[in-house]
Amino acid sequence: QQQVKQSPQSLIVQKGGISIINCAYENTAFDYFPWYQQFPGKGPALLIAIRPDVSEKKEGRFTISFNKSAKQFSLHIMDSQPGDSATYFCAAIISGTYKYIFGTGTRLKVLA
Amino acid sequence: DSGVTQTPKHLITATGQRVTLRCSPRSGDLSVYWYQQSLDQGLQFLIQYYNGEERAKGNILERFSAQQFPDLHSELNLSSLELGDSALYFCASSVDGLAGREQYFGPGTRLTVT
Repeated sequence: QQQVKQSPQSLIVQKGGISIINCAYENTAFDYFPWYQQFPGKGPALLIAIRPDVSEKKEGRFTISFNKSAKQFSLHIMDSQPGDSATYFCAAIISGTYKYIFGTGTRLKVLA
Repeated sequence: DSGVTQTPKHLITATGQRVTLRCSPRSGDLSVYWYQQSLDQGLQFLIQYYNGEERAKGNILERFSAQQFPDLHSELNLSSLELGDSALYFCASSVDGLAGREQYFGPGTRLTVT
């Protein structure tokens, strides 16, 4: 119940295409869903986050879509660029528990 | 640059040994988190400290321990090391450790156990 399942494990997209990464959870108590971006040799960095009271949040080319009834959320990267090539992690947290549960990561490669 | 520093950057040691990883949080952040990242396990939360006190525990082995000092830096101690402990260890910090606060990650320490 504490797991967050992330897919796909790896993704190759052409420059200018849309990258889509999906996450699913079981525990309905999760109430904060951040996405992290990690470049090789670096620590993860917060990209965008959403709370379950909204169905979509957009920041530049990055959009989170949230489906509360399906217990799924996804990251869309529009107009993907080679510089977006990184590993992306979704995460979920229950307020008050202080524990972040991370997905297993998606390695994205955007071809020039 | 997140403002979180970790030392050392790389560490190579033998099985059975003990090592200490060090983390300095961002200026003003009171909470420190430790994570283990391995190829097959992804990013695993180990433990969180807030202002010197342990706040939350994740999948931390009994051979591992951590503490946060009065100057807010933190150390993760790994003992009786096994080959499977080889991984990247990340420290992150946040301003107050409340759920939902952004965590800022350091560059990590790569531990290799031979």
